[in-house]
Amino acid sequence: EPEVTQTPSHQVTQMGQEVILRCVPISNHLYFYWYRQILGQKVEFLVSFYNNEISEKSEIFDDQFSVERPDGSNFTLKIRSTKLEDSAMYFCASRARKLWGETQYFGPGTRLLVL
Amino acid sequence: DQQVKQNSPSLSVQEGRISILNCDYTNSMFDYFLWYKKYPAEGPTFLISISSIKDKNEDGRFTVFLNKSAKHLSLHIVPSQPGDSAVYFCAASVNSNSGYALNFGKGTSLLVTP
Repeated sequence: EPEVTQTPSHQVTQMGQEVILRCVPISNHLYFYWYRQILGQKVEFLVSFYNNEISEKSEIFDDQFSVERPDGSNFTLKIRSTKLEDSAMYFCASRARKLWGETQYFGPGTRLLVL
Repeated sequence: DQQVKQNSPSLSVQEGRISILNCDYTNSMFDYFLWYKKYPAEGPTFLISISSIKDKNEDGRFTVFLNKSAKHLSLHIVPSQPGDSAVYFCAASVNSNSGYALNFGKGTSLLVTP
């Protein structure tokens, strides 16, 4: 069964450093997402991406964040200058078609720890 | 701004019995609702969904009920099995929005005891 994959599974970085989280969505999916879950809190939407551009973003997704689909398979989230409060699990998700009610499928997550 | 609320952080049920997980929402624009199951160190796994035009959707042991007037949905698991022990998240979206972003509740940790 096709699945969303994410690398790395864990990332430790120093405050102020740049990190890039990588995702390979399900191959025939058209919508791509990043969510995060800070320890003990709910899963929060960051950004959605369709047709090579951001279609929706949350207040969390400020200028420190960017997304890119550099080739036909990868989808990346970059945090330019990490802060302590960026420590969280980051989940990538993808969705099949631009149809009402299509389900989003999630990857296993990347645990980011900012020191 | 908690648009999706799961007011029970935990629930314990005996194997074979029914598990009922509840979810309330405040945004009347939500028109698609999903339940995800999550194990530690894994991503959320889709379980079942329901659109706002329905009031019930069933898939095997899982049934989701939607009460739009009360802005309430529930997930029923019958019969409950020990392997169902996980955190269950309710999520909702507005399908008219361009991104179809999911709004999640904080989750309910279900423990099914033998």
